[in-house]
Amino acid sequence: NAGVTQTPKFQVLKTGQSMTLQCAQDMNHNSMYWYRQDPGMGLRLIYYSASEGTTDKGEVPNGYNVSRLNKREFSLRLESAAPSQTSVYFCASSEEYSRAGYTFGSGTRLTVV
Amino acid sequence: EDQVTQSPEALRLQEGESSSLNCSYTVSGLRGLFWYRQDPGKGPEFLFTLYSAGEEKEKERLKATLTKKESFLHITAPKPEDSATYLCAVQAANNDMRFGAGTRLTVKP
Repeated sequence: NAGVTQTPKFQVLKTGQSMTLQCAQDMNHNSMYWYRQDPGMGLRLIYYSASEGTTDKGEVPNGYNVSRLNKREFSLRLESAAPSQTSVYFCASSEEYSRAGYTFGSGTRLTVV
Repeated sequence: EDQVTQSPEALRLQEGESSSLNCSYTVSGLRGLFWYRQDPGKGPEFLFTLYSAGEEKEKERLKATLTKKESFLHITAPKPEDSATYLCAVQAANNDMRFGAGTRLTVKP
């Protein structure tokens, strides 16, 4: 049972470089999410997708774009990385109105220098 | 605005020393309160969902309780393997989910 798979696990970027974080789930969930986690702060929602073909902004969307490629895959793109985007990024998925919360991936640790 | 505050930020216990973690919240219409466990270098792992004041859920040495303003995660006779960060999240009536910053628990043998 793979659950939610994120790649890469670690990445170092120079300011201004771009990259895409990949996420795939095999639980047939409709909803998928991208969060960032910073020390001393709770997980903050960047973007989410309630179903295939739809995406919506979360609390901290600036500097990011997303693509819901199909029901399984939801990618996060940084077009021009900034040091403020140094963080740990988590992808998650869930059923709508799930009583079992979200299923998270293992995270991508991104450093922008 | 919906808010979730967890306390303490960090807690160190001796093995067998029971204690409680607190999650205080304000939310527009509580749809659910969730507890997660997060180990270093990993994503959060779901533990419990609570829906209404007075509800309790148990799993091994953990018991979660809920009132109208806060939730407690009680840890009875903890073991070193219970060391982790415990996250609380509230889901509002509009489905927005807000996470607390977590409590980092260390249990010493």
